[in-house]
Amino acid sequence: GNSVTQMEGPVTLSEEAFLTINCTYTATGYPSLFWYVQYPGEGLQLLLKATKADDKGSNKGFEATYRKETTSFHLEKGSVQVSDSAVYFCALANNNAGNMLTFGGGTRLMVKP
Amino acid sequence: NAGVTQTPKFRILKIGQSMTLQCAQDMNHNYMYWYRQDPGMGLKLIYYSVGAGITDKGEVPNGYNVSRSTTEDFPLRLELAAPSQTSVYFCASRRDPSEKLFFGSGTQLSVL
Repeated sequence: GNSVTQMEGPVTLSEEAFLTINCTYTATGYPSLFWYVQYPGEGLQLLLKATKADDKGSNKGFEATYRKETTSFHLEKGSVQVSDSAVYFCALANNNAGNMLTFGGGTRLMVKP
Repeated sequence: NAGVTQTPKFRILKIGQSMTLQCAQDMNHNYMYWYRQDPGMGLKLIYYSVGAGITDKGEVPNGYNVSRSTTEDFPLRLELAAPSQTSVYFCASRRDPSEKLFFGSGTQLSVL
């Protein structure tokens, strides 16, 4: 079956530090990969996505590259801000399963001024 | 811009009580979903619907029921609340499977 594993949090960084949140997946076929973000008191919202191998998704300074050879989709940002403090979820959608999303456990990021 | 609206935001239930979590969307989306989020775990799909009058079980449907009488509304019913149902519940919707999901802000439920 499908599964997503991401690093446990919380991750605590100082402002302007470099961010990496690791995500690896197990899936049959060729899934699409996503990062969702949940700001305090809000629902999840799509941050970025990649639909095929070697694609790079990017948004708001965040990037993630679809690595089929390592089954990974690590989230990176070169310089985090306090406003990036949130919970980040890695997810996959498999066309074989009606594009149902499988989520990782979430990683809480706390950025200090 | 209402999007996906969930009510209530917080609720405490006693074991054996029942309640309905409300979910409404104003985007004319056909596909609607209920997830639960347990601490440190990913979101688990409870039930989903591909259109009015059609519902189907997800990964963890036991102890829950849903209905979809209109396109806009997708309520989730807990008949006999159990402590194992303590969780945060999210409703989500999308126009079709190729599009992104829009989430509500969640309902935090505690069963004591």
